[in-house]
Amino acid sequence: QKEVEQNSGPLSVPEGAIASLNCTYSDRVSQSFFWYRQYSGKSPELIMSIYSNGDKEDGRFTAQLNKASQYVSLLIRDSQPSDSATYLCAVNPYSGNTPLVFGKGTRLSVIA
Amino acid sequence: EAQVTQNPRYLITVTGKKLTVTCSQNMNHEYMSWYRQDPGLGLRQIYYSMNVEVTDKGDVPEGYKVSRKEKRNFPLILESPSPNQTSLYFCASSLTRNTGELFFGEGSRLTVL
Repeated sequence: QKEVEQNSGPLSVPEGAIASLNCTYSDRVSQSFFWYRQYSGKSPELIMSIYSNGDKEDGRFTAQLNKASQYVSLLIRDSQPSDSATYLCAVNPYSGNTPLVFGKGTRLSVIA
Repeated sequence: EAQVTQNPRYLITVTGKKLTVTCSQNMNHEYMSWYRQDPGLGLRQIYYSMNVEVTDKGDVPEGYKVSRKEKRNFPLILESPSPNQTSLYFCASSLTRNTGELFFGEGSRLTVL
C-alpha cells in the first residue's frame, strides 16, 4: 500500500513568517511530487510540482525534495492570511496504472 | 476558459433513488477521475479513465459506476445511493495519467437521506 503522510495540523504561523509543510512517502521509486492548495469549501488547485532532488522556487513558494529520505516539503515565505488553506501533498508512483496518491493534507492558518 | 464542469453542485436525495453527477472538461484531456473527500479521510479515488472506453476502479469503487463514451465527459452514476455515500465529490482531469497535474472541478456536495 503506497502511503503519503502529512501532519494534519493546524499549523499556525504569524503573518510574514515562513510556513514549512512536510510530507513523507512510502514508495521509494516514486518519480514526481506535487503540492495542491485547497481553500475551505473549494476544489484542490495545483501550486507546485517537483521531479528531481533539491529545491524548486516559484514566487513565495519553494518545494524541496529528498528522494533518499523520501521526504518532500513546501516552504511559503512571507506568509499571508490568504495562504490559509489545506495543503495536499501528492505522489505519482512509478509503476504502471497506479493513480496519484494524496496525503490527507495539512491545514495552515496564517494569523494577521 | 479551460475548465472542468460538474453538475449538480449540490444535491439532497433519498436512499435508493438513482442519480448521475456529470463531469465535462474542455481541455482535450485523456485522463479523467472521480474522487470523494470526507473529513479525516482525505481524497479517495473512486474510478478513473485513461481514455475513451477505458475505465478502471480506484480505491473505493463500491456503489458507483462510470462510463467514458466521449473524451470530454465522465459521468458518475450512483445506482442505489445510500447514506454512506454522503460526501463531497470531485471530478478531475489531466493531459495523461502520468502528469500528476490534475485540474479539478468545483465539487458536488451530495447528501443521501
